[in-house]
Amino acid sequence: GIQVEQSPPDLILQEGANSTLRCNFSDSVNNLQWFHQNPWGQLINLFYIPSGTKQNGRLSATTVATERYSLLYISSSQTTDSGVYFCAVGNYGQNFVFGPGTRLSALP
Amino acid sequence: DTAVSQTPKYLVTQMGNDKSIKCEQNLGHDTMYWYKQDSKKFLKIMFSYNNKELIINETVPNRFSPKSPDKAHLNLHINSLELGDSAVYFCASSDLAGGLNEQFFGPGTRLTVL
Repeated sequence: GIQVEQSPPDLILQEGANSTLRCNFSDSVNNLQWFHQNPWGQLINLFYIPSGTKQNGRLSATTVATERYSLLYISSSQTTDSGVYFCAVGNYGQNFVFGPGTRLSALP
Repeated sequence: DTAVSQTPKYLVTQMGNDKSIKCEQNLGHDTMYWYKQDSKKFLKIMFSYNNKELIINETVPNRFSPKSPDKAHLNLHINSLELGDSAVYFCASSDLAGGLNEQFFGPGTRLTVL
């Protein structure tokens, strides 16, 4: 099956700092999503981005499908950005595989 | 106007009991899923249903049985609960017929087996 890796596993950011999270996957996919799991456990959809670049406020994401990776950019981090960021990938009608996540602590 | 809802939010029960978790989506999606998140936060798919039919059944014990009365509902029934079943269970849905694989998740049900 598809393997998904995320880096870094843990990240500490000072408020206002920028960061990049990476997701590598082992096979071609037609679905890639980024999620934020907040400290209350909710899984929040950030981006549906099987290819290309999208932006939403302070967050943006880029997926280079041919090279099997995706990047999530967080700019001007805020304490509310804390939580775990998951990348998940899959193909139509098949398993949706989650990466192990990046745990972000955004400090004031 | 909740998109994907689950009940209950918390479930505490004794080993050996039988329990159910309910999931409903009002997005008009044709496919629904159950995921398990363990204590290390690792998320893994358990089941997938498309138009009330099972299409993915990962290796889960027979004690877990999904039931889909209609395409807006996918319930999870668990028999003879064990300590290792303690986890957070998430329901999700997507619109496969529409060619979109984007999945939307419910708030999760935290199951604790004592």
